[in-house]
Amino acid sequence: EPEVTQTPSHQVTQMGQEVILRCVPISNHLYFYWYRQILGQKVEFLVSFYNNEISEKSEIFDDQFSVERPDGSNFTLKIRSTKLEDSAMYFCASRGGTENTEAFFGQGTRLTVV
Amino acid sequence: GESVGLHLPTLSVQEGDNSIINCAYSNSASDYFIWYKQESGKGPQFIIDIRSNMDKRQGQRVTVLLNKTVKHLSLQIAATQPGDSAVYFCAESRNTPLVFGKGTRLSVIA
Repeated sequence: EPEVTQTPSHQVTQMGQEVILRCVPISNHLYFYWYRQILGQKVEFLVSFYNNEISEKSEIFDDQFSVERPDGSNFTLKIRSTKLEDSAMYFCASRGGTENTEAFFGQGTRLTVV
Repeated sequence: GESVGLHLPTLSVQEGDNSIINCAYSNSASDYFIWYKQESGKGPQFIIDIRSNMDKRQGQRVTVLLNKTVKHLSLQIAATQPGDSAVYFCAESRNTPLVFGKGTRLSVIA
């Protein structure tokens, strides 16, 4: 069964450092997303990506965040200068032909900023 | 602002009993709803979805009910098993990214 894969599973970084979280969405999907989940809280939308550009972003997704789809398979989230409050699980998701369909989620990257 | 939320943060049920998890949504324009299950340390896993032109949809051991009049969504799990223990989230959209509710933790008592 096709699945969304994320690497690494756990990333520890020092405050102020840049991190890149990687995702390989399901190959024939068109919509790509990043969500985050602070421990014990709900899953929060960060950004959506369609047709090689950001289609929507939340207020969490400020200038410290960026996304790329560099090679047609990978989908990355970069945090330029991490803060303690960026510590969370980051989930990548993808959807097929329209946005009113099931989103498939990866297993997440646990980011710990120290 | 408009949001998706859940009535109860925790629910404990006896193994073999039926579970009902509720969700209230406030965006009347939403026309697509999903229930996800999240086990500890894992990503959300699709359970069942429903579109606004339906009021009930059944899957294997699960049923989703949609009441658009009161903007309420529920997930019914029949014959709850220990493997059903997880956090359950409802989510909504209208050709937009999914918006998640806060989640209900279901604990199954053996």
